Amino acid sequence: AQSVTQLGSHVSVSEGALVLLRCNYSSSVPPYLFWYVQYPNQGLQLLLKYTTGATLVKGINGFEAEFKKSETSFHLTKPSAHMSDAAEYFCAVSRRGDSSASKIIFGSGTRLSIRP
Amino acid sequence: EAQVTQNPRYLITVTGKKLTVTCSQNMNHEYMSWYRQDPGLGLRQIYYSMNVEVTDKGDVPEGYKVSRKEKRNFPLILESPSPNQTSLYFCASMDRQMTQYFGPGTRLLVL
Repeated sequence: AQSVTQLGSHVSVSEGALVLLRCNYSSSVPPYLFWYVQYPNQGLQLLLKYTTGATLVKGINGFEAEFKKSETSFHLTKPSAHMSDAAEYFCAVSRRGDSSASKIIFGSGTRLSIRP
Repeated sequence: EAQVTQNPRYLITVTGKKLTVTCSQNMNHEYMSWYRQDPGLGLRQIYYSMNVEVTDKGDVPEGYKVSRKEKRNFPLILESPSPNQTSLYFCASMDRQMTQYFGPGTRLLVL
């Protein structure tokens, strides 16, 4: 069975500092991996995804994530935090290759706060 | 404008009174899904549909029904709501590149 673990329900960084949000997954087959962002009182928006190819994936708003199969990780990073990055971030995984491909598992989320 | 719409956005009801939350997308996506979001639990998939007349259970299907009679619509039905179904519900559709597009959410309170 697939699962997703996001380490840290709340992360706080200073404006301009590095953002690192951690995500580990378990999957019996190579997965599809996603990061979504949710701003207050809004739906979710895709930040980036890994489906195939290059393991370093660049997304919107300066975020990127690296798929590391050996570590079963897909951590999200941004070199310099902006106040507008304050939101909740969700990692998600989906199986590939068979009829289960569309069952999607989300992590419990990490709330990112930015200190002025 | 490409979008996923949900109605109603807010709903207060009583235990046992059947309700339907509608979801519609205008992007011609084959895949649609329903999630519930609860504090500390993230999003959990209730049901998904890979095409018209094709639906399957997600992780938390108990107490919910869905139908997919046409591609654009994917209503969520609560036949006999209970207080533990109080939650924030999201509908989403997904394109062939596996990008999901989420609706604005429906906040449901069951008394």
